[in-house]
Amino acid sequence: EDKVVQSPLSLVVHEGDTVTLNCSYEVTNFRSLLWYKQEKKAPTFLFMLTSSGIEKKSGRLSSILDKKELFSILNITATQTGDSAVYLCAAFEGGKLIFGQGTELSVKP
Amino acid sequence: SAVISQKPSRDICQRGTSLTIQCQVDSQVTMMFWYRQQPGQSLTLIATANQGSEATYESGFVIDKFPISRPNLTFSTLTVSNMSPEDSSIYLCSVLLGIGNTIYFGEGSWLTVV
Repeated sequence: EDKVVQSPLSLVVHEGDTVTLNCSYEVTNFRSLLWYKQEKKAPTFLFMLTSSGIEKKSGRLSSILDKKELFSILNITATQTGDSAVYLCAAFEGGKLIFGQGTELSVKP
Repeated sequence: SAVISQKPSRDICQRGTSLTIQCQVDSQVTMMFWYRQQPGQSLTLIATANQGSEATYESGFVIDKFPISRPNLTFSTLTVSNMSPEDSSIYLCSVLLGIGNTIYFGEGSWLTVV
């Protein structure tokens, strides 16, 4: 059965800290790995990763994929209170997205 | 990206009634999906909405409970039938954009069944 597992499930940090969120997957017909940020509304797209070892970066956020070890990480540097959200990773297998449980990040001032 | 509009954005529904959620995209898209997110949970795919044919449902979801229409490449509806409190969830429309094969989400429809 296809599955995506995220860790940790929740995380509390202070402003300025750096965090690493983990996502592992076992998906038949894997095509890409996507990261989303969800606040009190629908998920907002962050990154799509298709190739191993190529870092994608957007401001303080970056992500990388390892297709050999079947995992991805999302890094957030110099965290701010506005980064508080649930971060979802999802594997796309051509027909649908399979979501992990999400990591709830709380950034304290 | 695309602009994905969902209506209603929020509703409170009586037990036993049905509600139809609309999803309108500002460009033609190849694939449209409907997801459910129950309180405190991650997203679960209900079905893929197929243009001009019956939707493809995931295990645990049936057409009688969640009928879906997709009359063209920019519009789809999801009906939640004979609602019970267990149907209280966020229902999300999402689309696959051909460029980059990225999936984007609408703002969601928050349903509370009382």
